[in-house]
Amino acid sequence: GENVEQHPSTLSVQEGDSAVIKCTYSDSASNYFPWYKQELGKRPQLIIDIRSNVGEKKDQRIAVTLNKTAKHFSLHITETQPEDSAVYFCAASISPDKVIFGPGTSLSVIP
Amino acid sequence: GAVVSQHPSWVICKSGTSVKIECRSLDFQATTMFWYRQFPKQSLMLMATSNEGSKATYEQGVEKDKFLINHASLTLSTLTVTSAHPEDSSFYICSVRLAGPSYEQYFGPGTRLTVT
Repeated sequence: GENVEQHPSTLSVQEGDSAVIKCTYSDSASNYFPWYKQELGKRPQLIIDIRSNVGEKKDQRIAVTLNKTAKHFSLHITETQPEDSAVYFCAASISPDKVIFGPGTSLSVIP
Repeated sequence: GAVVSQHPSWVICKSGTSVKIECRSLDFQATTMFWYRQFPKQSLMLMATSNEGSKATYEQGVEKDKFLINHASLTLSTLTVTSAHPEDSSFYICSVRLAGPSYEQYFGPGTRLTVT
């Protein structure tokens, strides 16, 4: 089955700097790659997603890139702010009813 | 997006008792709902996929007789943890998927279960 790895597990950046989180997946049939942000004790919130027919997608300070050949995708957050501090999960999906989550990255933005 | 609620938000129960958690889709009809379990500082692990009007599909390693799922209507799915034990203490989160080819899932606020 699909396996999603995520690095780093923890990331600390200064406010205003960029943060990059990388994920790899194992099943080449995966075609949907969402990213979720989860604050402590809260529900995961979808922040951006990308489909396999697209190499890059951007939404304001957040961007995601996908390399299908290498089976990896990355989340880029620019101009980080303290409110960006949270746990971020990448995920990969081969069908609408099967989403596999990565282990998560705890991001801390230091004011 | 979709609005999803869960009830209760937290529950404490004694070992051996059963607990029911409700997941409601408030603003649209959800043919598919998902139940996840999340232990502290860990990822979301899919437990089962709940389809309205049919039996839930459980992931490998999840005991269907212990985690009873009922999806009786297009807006409500329930998860019952039977004969709960301390190791069942966790954060249980449901999500819903819009009908059709959409992959997007919208999560409920979660239920914190503590078994003493």
